[in-house]
Amino acid sequence: SQQGEEDPQALSIQEGENATMNCSYKTSINNLQWYRQNSGRGLVHLILIRSNEREKHSGRLRVTLDTSKKSSSLLITASRAADTASYFCATDAFGSGNTGKLIFGQGTTLQVKP
Amino acid sequence: DTEVTQTPKHLVMGMTNKKSLKCEQHMGHRAMYWYKQKAKKPPELMFVYSYEKLSINESVPSRFSPECPNSSLLNLHLHALQPEDSALYLCASSQETSGSYDEQFFGPGTRLTVL
Repeated sequence: SQQGEEDPQALSIQEGENATMNCSYKTSINNLQWYRQNSGRGLVHLILIRSNEREKHSGRLRVTLDTSKKSSSLLITASRAADTASYFCATDAFGSGNTGKLIFGQGTTLQVKP
Repeated sequence: DTEVTQTPKHLVMGMTNKKSLKCEQHMGHRAMYWYKQKAKKPPELMFVYSYEKLSINESVPSRFSPECPNSSLLNLHLHALQPEDSALYLCASSQETSGSYDEQFFGPGTRLTVL
């Protein structure tokens, strides 16, 4: 079942600019996670935010979570060409009974032009 | 060691072949996962193993058969696959503590082509 919707589907920016990606979900969650995937490779975990947290930072990444709106955003500041990748949000749905099951959003493809 | 390894990197097989995908982690994680990912789509969960027992099967066809021989290894046995099964197969692992799961670590994937 599809849990997460991401917006925009594709984003193209210049190096040094900020990139913002949004994720919406449908059910209550334990946590929401963001992953990056370079073309045709495995996913890399970026950040996990729990349902009782509102904002989290990690280096150039800032994630917010609004459980009342069932939405999250990922901000990448001062982007670099190496940030070019697909970005996925994933929810560990509360109703899954803590099974570890993640449901991924459709992803945002980010291109950072040098 | 924070790496999940997968072999082979690429696999081409006919519809009558039997093959296996392998996944290994040495992070002491007790939860391991198989995902299937088609081009330009998100990963889709197939199976979850928790403490070497199958805990989730997402209604995957029986031509895919998972196996967890020990806490570090995860296999996916393939038999009589269809061309539409061609995809990137990703393995992941995560720590599990008292029913709470941490972030997942992914392997680089096996690119499977079924002819």
